Amino acid sequence: QSALTQPASVSGSPGQSVTISCTGTSSDVGGYYFVSWYQQHPGKAPKLLIYDVFNRPSGVSNRFSASKSGNTASLTISGLQADDAADYYCNSYKRGGTYVFGSGTKVSVL
Amino acid sequence: EVHLVQSGAEVKKAGESLTISCKGSGYSFTNYWIGWGRQMPGKGLEWMVIMWPMNFQVIYSPSFEGQVTVSADNSISTAYLHWASLKASDTGMYYCARARDGDFWFDPWGQGTLVTVSS
Repeated sequence: QSALTQPASVSGSPGQSVTISCTGTSSDVGGYYFVSWYQQHPGKAPKLLIYDVFNRPSGVSNRFSASKSGNTASLTISGLQADDAADYYCNSYKRGGTYVFGSGTKVSVL
Repeated sequence: EVHLVQSGAEVKKAGESLTISCKGSGYSFTNYWIGWGRQMPGKGLEWMVIMWPMNFQVIYSPSFEGQVTVSADNSISTAYLHWASLKASDTGMYYCARARDGDFWFDPWGQGTLVTVSS
């Protein structure tokens, strides 16, 4: 099955904001409020950042925010910091009971 | 504290079988789904399969159905991912993660198991 579409890379200077898009279809992103976002530093396991489109687990900085419109979900990182340099993946529940990841976005802090 | 601890790295030859494990601790193992994902070298995450240990219900991603099987031993809070005949293209990092029933996100994740298959 095809991955959700994310930009390959985004970059920003410290303190700036960056936004990552995640585009799917009506069978996944557009059909459910079950989009989550994960951060993965090199050589590490993924870490949950956002669940159910816009909710942050306890312990996740409020510099991370997210939303959804139609078939596209978005993650915004505000006040970019050096430690935000990582790969970011969206994930959506799909019709049929399975899940699909986005293609992944590498965030660079200039 | 909740943990998922995966078995160690494996080096295998094509055609061999392999089972890797994911042991849960700090929570009621049978009350959470366990999912598995693959990350090939230098590539993104791919969702493979999800299992409900309570009744062994399994849902495979179409891309992985028939390629792997999953199981669990609830007496030791451990889930397994099994290959009957490995291919070189199975080389990658494999992660397990848990989700509460009724939730649609996964947290936490295991540390990953690196599987290397030579042809």
